[in-house]
Amino acid sequence: DAGVIQSPRHEVTEMGQEVTLRCKPISGHNSLFWYRQTMMRGLELLIYFNNNVPIDDSGMPEDRFSAKMPNASFSTLKIQPSEPRDSAVYFCASSQAEGEKLFFGSGTQLSVL
Amino acid sequence: QKEVEQNSGPLSVPEGAIASLNCTYSDRGSQSFFWYRQYSGKSPELIMFIYSNGDKEDGRFTAQLNKASQYVSLLIRDSQPSDSATYLCAAINTGGFKTIFGAGTRLFVKA
Repeated sequence: DAGVIQSPRHEVTEMGQEVTLRCKPISGHNSLFWYRQTMMRGLELLIYFNNNVPIDDSGMPEDRFSAKMPNASFSTLKIQPSEPRDSAVYFCASSQAEGEKLFFGSGTQLSVL
Repeated sequence: QKEVEQNSGPLSVPEGAIASLNCTYSDRGSQSFFWYRQYSGKSPELIMFIYSNGDKEDGRFTAQLNKASQYVSLLIRDSQPSDSATYLCAAINTGGFKTIFGAGTRLFVKA
């Protein structure tokens, strides 16, 4: 299996622009998670899906952030409008079931200028 | 109070020594605990998981869990320079839905 696939690997954008991050989970995994990692705050859970349904989005920082999972093999995290404080590494992870170990993608390094 | 707490380090040990990494958690209902390793610029990868009180050994790694004290630890025996990384402690919350991570402990193994 190719593992969790994220794109793009790097994104540099200007404040106010829309940013869309993409994730393809491991086939057969029914739970998907979006995390954000910064030096100051560590690895923060933003949102997770189970069977394509958003279960908990309490970690989404603001209304500027939204996430979708239209099918079992694809998810997006969108930031609109982006701000410099959104600069971080965004990880997507999937697990075979709730409560099981996570497999992480390579992450997207986002820089908002 | 953070849900999962770790000493951020850095922890420095000489090659061949035992590295001891510690973690406490606040959710008494947590049942599953994980240790992930993250090399600089890379994504976290699972190295150990533990569900029951006591010790669990896998090669040079031993995970220890004490639910009464809400304490998890990871021991790395015969530490190697390649073990130098950040080690993230994680717990599944009550209800079994969310994996919550600690801030991580940076480990340096000196050759």
